[in-house]
Amino acid sequence: QVQLVQSGAEVKKPGASVRVSCKTSGYTFTNFDINWVRLAPGQGLVWMGWMNPNSGQTGSALGFQGRLTMTRDTSKSTAYMDLESLTSDDTAVYFCARGDYSGSHPDYWGQGTLVTVSS
Amino acid sequence: QSALTQPRSVSGSPGQAVTISCTGTNSDIGGYNYVSWFQHRPGKAPQLIIYDVNKRPLGVPDRFSGSKSGNTASLTISGLQPDDEAVYYCCSYSVTYIRYVFGIGTEVAVL
Repeated sequence: QVQLVQSGAEVKKPGASVRVSCKTSGYTFTNFDINWVRLAPGQGLVWMGWMNPNSGQTGSALGFQGRLTMTRDTSKSTAYMDLESLTSDDTAVYFCARGDYSGSHPDYWGQGTLVTVSS
Repeated sequence: QSALTQPRSVSGSPGQAVTISCTGTNSDIGGYNYVSWFQHRPGKAPQLIIYDVNKRPLGVPDRFSGSKSGNTASLTISGLQPDDEAVYYCCSYSVTYIRYVFGIGTEVAVL
């Protein structure tokens, strides 16, 4: 079955960077996009960006351009999300989510990774 | 940054039906039949329950149904059960947001 398993919770200081990993299984990693979505306290889900694991092509939402980097290791079927210049506003649960074959919606999601930014 | 408008909460008694609205624009909900809905319980991965406006993934009960009219999509949960208590998010493909835009989430309470 399709599974996306994310790395554990992180605590970072303002100005630092964080890396979240998303290990996939149960399907061909390079055939489906990976999206990153976050859920901040009191807010709704926010789509951050997408990556084509086959080509490595990425696209980011305007609010994250310049400090969001998405990469992959195809040998490990794993996607990575790096977010730089963290502030307290970046405290959130970060999800990876597979895009379905048509790209019309995310289908399978990881369990989420809590990133806390605090001095 | 949640661009789709949803009510913060809805509630109903067991067996009743509740409907959650999700309002967007011509650039997302109104422009594409790519509305999806997710059920999210705390600490769990969001689960896809409706895609392409009104399609259900395998295993999702037919008590969950979706529809769309203009720039507003709706999720109806019929025969409400205690296990349906969760936060429900709508999502649409969006040319403005490059890929997807979500709603702020609606908490469903079963009284």
